[in-house]
Amino acid sequence: DVKVTQSSRYLVKRTGEKVFLECVQDMDHENMFWYRQDPGLGLRLIYFSYDVKMKEKGDIPEGYSVSREKKERFSLILESASTNQTSMYLCASSLPVSMASSYEQYFGPGTRLTVT
Amino acid sequence: AQSVAQPEDQVNVAEGNPLTVKCTYSVSGNPYLFWYVQYPNRGLQFLLKYITGDNLVKGSYGFEAEFNKSQTSFHLKKPSALVSDSALYFCALNAGNNRKLIWGLGTSLAVNP
Repeated sequence: DVKVTQSSRYLVKRTGEKVFLECVQDMDHENMFWYRQDPGLGLRLIYFSYDVKMKEKGDIPEGYSVSREKKERFSLILESASTNQTSMYLCASSLPVSMASSYEQYFGPGTRLTVT
Repeated sequence: AQSVAQPEDQVNVAEGNPLTVKCTYSVSGNPYLFWYVQYPNRGLQFLLKYITGDNLVKGSYGFEAEFNKSQTSFHLKKPSALVSDSALYFCALNAGNNRKLIWGLGTSLAVNP
């Protein structure tokens, strides 16, 4: 089974802090994704990566950056945390398009971030 | 434009009754459709998918979904609901050869004992 792990389940940070959220997958997936989930807004894509050191902006990249130095690890960085970044953050991975028979994504347990 | 709609924010059903969670989509090509479930404070779990072939797709936990091309729908169903089915359900779409999924806003299912 695919396993996607996230470094923290709950995190509390102060406004202005630099925050790192880590995600690791163990299935050699090329694609990795960061979403945020807010009530009534569903899942919104922040960034995704389709290969080491490759990234693309999603729908709401402002205030975030990402890093993918190794295939299995995808980090989300909040450069200067703000209260409006309080949310549930979900990481996911998937097979590459060339190999994917179905494109489904596999999710980690999520990190609930509170910025005070 | 490609999109997914889940027309009901919340669905309530009595335990033992059949349940349906609705999803409609809009896409220019052939759709790949997915259902996920999210239990409280957890990540999303894959339930089932439609890629091609039989319009009735069976998935995990006794769930199934029916693909209807003429109605552009992919409704999730279960013949007999359990209280433990209470969760948030998401429908998602891939329009083919695309890394990203397009997500519905989710439907909260409450199964009452």
